[in-house]
Amino acid sequence: QKEVEQNSGPLSVPEGAIASLNCTYSDRGSQSFFWYRQYSGKSPELIMFIYSNGDKEDGRFTAQLNKASQYVSLLIRDSQPSDSATYLCAVFPSGGYQKVTFGIGTKLQVIP
Amino acid sequence: DGGITQSPKYLFRKEGQNVTLSCEQNLNHDAMYWYRQDPGQGLRLIYYSQIVNDFQKGDIAEGYSVSREKKESFPLTVTSAQKNPTAFYLCASSMRHLNTGELFFGEGSRLTVL
Repeated sequence: QKEVEQNSGPLSVPEGAIASLNCTYSDRGSQSFFWYRQYSGKSPELIMFIYSNGDKEDGRFTAQLNKASQYVSLLIRDSQPSDSATYLCAVFPSGGYQKVTFGIGTKLQVIP
Repeated sequence: DGGITQSPKYLFRKEGQNVTLSCEQNLNHDAMYWYRQDPGQGLRLIYYSQIVNDFQKGDIAEGYSVSREKKESFPLTVTSAQKNPTAFYLCASSMRHLNTGELFFGEGSRLTVL
């Protein structure tokens, strides 16, 4: 069973701080990694994807990938109350066409 | 505007009834998926389809059925055999040939069994 693990939280950070969300995966050959944001009662929306080791920045968001350690993280700088949501880590495995595996999501609470 | 449309958004069902959730996309995507989401369990894959007239079971297919007669449409039937159907159901699609795994989601359908 290929697994993606996340701490369910809630992770509470004060407004303006950096929120750090982490995800580990079991399939060493995984090739694509995604972070989705899901507001309560809504559907997930893609906010970041990363394929290569290292950092990828997009505005206040930075995705970090370390394939040797099999973890991917999402940093949110200058956290805002509007960032309060559940963040889902998703992993696309290796070996031809496969289905994406999701973690359970980490609930982030940004305190004003 | 391109996107995925799910209907209905809210649905109530009596025990023993079958219900069908609609999913239509105009993104010209080859692959379509149905996920179920329960509190604390994340997204679990029910069925997926890579091309028309072909579909595969996901992790929790028991009690569900699908069809893929058209590229744009992938309806999900929740049958009376599904023991605990109350959940949030999400339809998604992706561009199969890119093989990148990026998914686009509909707004979801919330099913409640009375």
